[in-house]
Amino acid sequence: NAGVTQTPKFRILKIGQSMTLQCTQDMNHNYMYWYRQDPGMGLKLIYYSVGAGITDKGEVPNGYNVSRSTTEDFPLRLELAAPSQTSVYFCASSYWDRDPLGYTFGSGTRLTVV
Amino acid sequence: EDQVTQSPEALRLQEGESSSLNCSYTVSGLRGLFWYRQDPGKGPEFLFTLYSAGEEKEKERLKATLTKKESFLHITAPKPEDSATYLCAVLRGGGTSYGKLTFGQGTILTVHP
Repeated sequence: NAGVTQTPKFRILKIGQSMTLQCTQDMNHNYMYWYRQDPGMGLKLIYYSVGAGITDKGEVPNGYNVSRSTTEDFPLRLELAAPSQTSVYFCASSYWDRDPLGYTFGSGTRLTVV
Repeated sequence: EDQVTQSPEALRLQEGESSSLNCSYTVSGLRGLFWYRQDPGKGPEFLFTLYSAGEEKEKERLKATLTKKESFLHITAPKPEDSATYLCAVLRGGGTSYGKLTFGQGTILTVHP
């Protein structure tokens, strides 16, 4: 199993450009998440999804959008990139039944906005 | 609002020198506390879930414990390959949590040979 796959691994954007960070999981997990990680700040939740067609905002959603048309894919869209969006982005998935299980994370996308 | 604070921010140990990492938390109705390991340039890797005060879990040189206010990650006789950032996270109870974790800022552990 590939687990959670994120692309690209690195990207440099100019201010005002847009891009989509891709995330795919092959574990049939129903829940998926996007986090950003800044030095010394921990992981902050951007958006999450509890299933295909269902998404909701997390702690820091401004400047981002998501969609979830299939169970496997959960892309994150950045519109009008700003320097404040320079960060490392992680996608994660989980299958939540009665017992909470740990997330499976992707390897991350390091984004620099200049 | 759920809060997680990890200490120390960084810890340097000599190989074989045992120590502990702390995770203090405030959450409304804890459903689970999670420990992750993160290597440089990689995503976090799941280590443990603890559900209730008094619970302990072990994996190789790592042992995680839980009280009503904090969790400890004990590292016994660490080796250089244990060097990583260790993340703590909490999940609140209730039907609307949707698995959303609140993370601490992490402890950077360096083990020197």
